[in-house]
Formats: sequence, C-alpha cells, structure tokens
Amino acid sequence: GAVVSQHPSRVICKSGTSVKIECRSLDFQATTMFWYRQFPKKSLMLMATSNEGSKATYEQGVEKDKFLINHASLTLSTLTVTSAHPEDSSFYICSATILAGVSYEQYFGPGTRLTVT
Amino acid sequence: AQSVTQLDSQVPVFEEAPVELRCNYSSSVSVYLFWYVQYPNQGLQLLLKYLSGSTLVESINGFEAEFNKSQTSFHLRKPSVHISDTAEYFCAVSAKTPPGTASKLTFGTGTRLQVTL
Repeated sequence: GAVVSQHPSRVICKSGTSVKIECRSLDFQATTMFWYRQFPKKSLMLMATSNEGSKATYEQGVEKDKFLINHASLTLSTLTVTSAHPEDSSFYICSATILAGVSYEQYFGPGTRLTVT
Repeated sequence: AQSVTQLDSQVPVFEEAPVELRCNYSSSVSVYLFWYVQYPNQGLQLLLKYLSGSTLVESINGFEAEFNKSQTSFHLRKPSVHISDTAEYFCAVSAKTPPGTASKLTFGTGTRLQVTL
C-alpha cells in the first residue's frame, strides 16, 4: 500500500531556532502533498498545498515566511518552521496524494510532534 | 467552500454495543466523503470513502457509512464495537475536481469513540 513517512517523529527545539520536517512518499510518487497542523483535541487545519516544482499555496492566516515549504521531488516535501516560538508547538501531519480511480486519495504520514521551549 | 460538522465530540459505548458517529456537511458543489481514524500520537488512516455509486460503503473492519444527499449526511456506524475501536474519528469532505487535480480535504472536529467493558 501507499506509505508516507515523516521525520523526525518528535522534536524539541529552543525558541528562536528553526526546525525542518520531512515528508516522504515511500513507494509512490506524489505530485501534490498537503501539510496540516493539529492542536490538542482539535481537528486538522490545512496549512498549505505543496506541488512538486512550484511554490506552495498557503491557506489564509498561515505565514508563508514562517512555515517554509519545499517540494523538491515527487517523493519529498519539507516544512521548515523558522524562528520557532512556543505557540508553534503542535502536531504536524503531512499527506501525499495518489490517483485512485476517479479521485485523488490522501495518505497521511504518522505526524511530527514539535515542542518549542 | 465546504464545511463538516461532527456534533458529538465524545461517544462512550460498551463493548459489543452498536454505535453511530454523526457527520453532516455543507457544500455548494459535488463532493467526495471520507472517514478517517486516528489512534493516539499517530497519523490518520482512511477508514472508508464515498466517491459515487452505492450510497452505502463499508470498511474491512465492520464499519459502514451511508451517504444521504438530501440530509447532507455521512454517518458512520458499526453494529458491534470492540475495545480496539477506541480512537478519534474524523469525517472529511473534498470537492469533486477535474481529472488531474488533487483537492484538499476539509475535516470535521472529530469524535472520540471510547469503548469500555
């Protein structure tokens, strides 16, 4: 089946530093990947749509200069949280899309728990 | 734009009892509908989906959901739950898009299914 990995699974960083999270589709190519943020006991909030070879499309209210997204290949997208602050602490989840019949299906990574101290 | 409403934030149920998790959606265009399950500190796993055709869709582990267009609902049901079904369940919707276009998912706020002995 379609497997998506994320690295790291957990990261703790100090306020003001930057953190990079990788999202990889292991056994398929994904033209489009999505990045979500999930707060405790809350739903997933779409942050941005990442298309291979082009600039990411950010949702309203998401700072593109703070959350840098790079989709350098059909199997890798990265999210860099720049100058992280405690309020950026969250669970970040990516998904990679694959054509399944008439629609695209999203396969989700296991998530990355970011804690900013 | 689409929106999803999951009215029940928590549903406690005894093992072997039936359960229904409610999901209603709103959209000005035709949609695909999904149910995802999330176990603690993990990413989301697709449980089942409705794309077209039969309005009743089933998963391999006994869950089923029925698309009701007139009521704009996609409720999830299982006739007999197990302890292992304890998890967070998310209903999601995406707009039907032209071939070759991946559409983003809009999630509900989730329902915590708690199965006890």
